[in-house]
Amino acid sequence: QVHLVESGGGVVQPGRSLRLSCAASGFPFSSYAMHWVRQAPGKGLEWVSIISYDGTSKYYADSVKGRFTISRDNSKNALYLEMNSLTPEDTAVYSCARDPSTSHNYFYYMDVWGKGTTVTVSS
Amino acid sequence: EIVLTQSPGTLSLSPGERATLSCRASQSVSNNYLAWYQQKPGQAPRLLIYGASGRATGIPDRFSGSGSGTDFTLTISRLEPEDFAVYYCQQYGSSRAFGQGTRLEIK
Repeated sequence: QVHLVESGGGVVQPGRSLRLSCAASGFPFSSYAMHWVRQAPGKGLEWVSIISYDGTSKYYADSVKGRFTISRDNSKNALYLEMNSLTPEDTAVYSCARDPSTSHNYFYYMDVWGKGTTVTVSS
Repeated sequence: EIVLTQSPGTLSLSPGERATLSCRASQSVSNNYLAWYQQKPGQAPRLLIYGASGRATGIPDRFSGSGSGTDFTLTISRLEPEDFAVYYCQQYGSSRAFGQGTRLEIK
């Protein structure tokens, strides 16, 4: 069964950093692109970042560009999101999601989602 | 940047009725690369429709998507109690962006 489980969330002070992880199982992780999507409390979905199946292509939303870094370790079936210079506006549930793309540069929708991990940025 | 606007914000209907949800893009979505998701409280979103009209695996045929260019529609032919949720559209023709969502509530 396809499964995505996020971890690493918590409460962090503004300006600090946090690293999120996503553990994948039940499918050939190294064959799929992966997204991070976030949802602020009571708000809608916001796409954050995507990484190609082999990690060579990465794209970010303008709101996180230069502060967040997406990466993956295909040997561990793991996806990561390094978040620096956090602000209260980054407070959200962060979910990883699978993209059916097997391309370096063409990405699509999210066909499998994790339940997310909560990040709260507050002093 | 393509902006998606969903309407209505809230739709109040009864089980058995037909639901029509709209998603309008600020510019044409290339290749009709538009998806629809359903999200229930406390749950992860679930993919319903991709490519504007392709039904995802395991999605009942009462869910259908249509449209092209800038105007897209999600139709639920006969509402079941489990269909009451928030629905989001998402374009992936130019980067990625979500609409703000439509809440489908029981009347």
